[in-house]
Amino acid sequence: GQNIDQPTEMTATEGAIVQINCTYQTSGFNGLFWYQQHAGEAPTFLSYNVLDGLEEKGRFSSFLSRSKGYSYLLLKELQMKDSASYLCAVRGGDYKLSFGAGTTVTVRA
Amino acid sequence: IAGITQAPTSQILAAGRRMTLRCTQDMRHNAMYWYRQDLGLGLRLIHYSNTAGTTGKGEVPDGYSVSRANTDDFPLTLASAVPSQTSVYFCASSATSGSVDTQYFGPGTRLTVL
Repeated sequence: GQNIDQPTEMTATEGAIVQINCTYQTSGFNGLFWYQQHAGEAPTFLSYNVLDGLEEKGRFSSFLSRSKGYSYLLLKELQMKDSASYLCAVRGGDYKLSFGAGTTVTVRA
Repeated sequence: IAGITQAPTSQILAAGRRMTLRCTQDMRHNAMYWYRQDLGLGLRLIHYSNTAGTTGKGEVPDGYSVSRANTDDFPLTLASAVPSQTSVYFCASSATSGSVDTQYFGPGTRLTVL
């Protein structure tokens, strides 16, 4: 089975940095994805990691350590529009995605 | 505009009724998926199709069926709806079922079974 854990909620101030951690235990590993989901909308793709290390994409960065079963998503220079749920998803040995329950980030002025 | 469409946007259904949720994509993606999203549980895979003519069971397939007659359409049918099937349903697609292909999601269908 798959087990993916991430915090339920986080709050941060506009302009600050927030780090969302994700730990996983899965049957096989073929990559880790981060999705953003605004309330009432569909998830949208943010980042993909398959090798250890940091992937940077503008204000967002994602890190992966396969040996530790650990990833984080780093959101820099937070904006009000970044208030959303962030979903960690692992592609297992069967190439199917297993999702964490999501982390709701609230950005306050 | 290329993408995935789902219909209906929302539906209230009496228990025991049959319901088909529609999903169409115009990106010529081979793989398609159905997920349900429930508060505190995240997205869970119901059924998937790696290519037209084939389907497979996901994590929570009971009470649901799918078909994949062509590349573009992937309907999800609830033969006899029950209240526990109240959820938000998302259809997704990816170019293939493996490698680094990203899944793209439709706007969702909010289903309430009374």
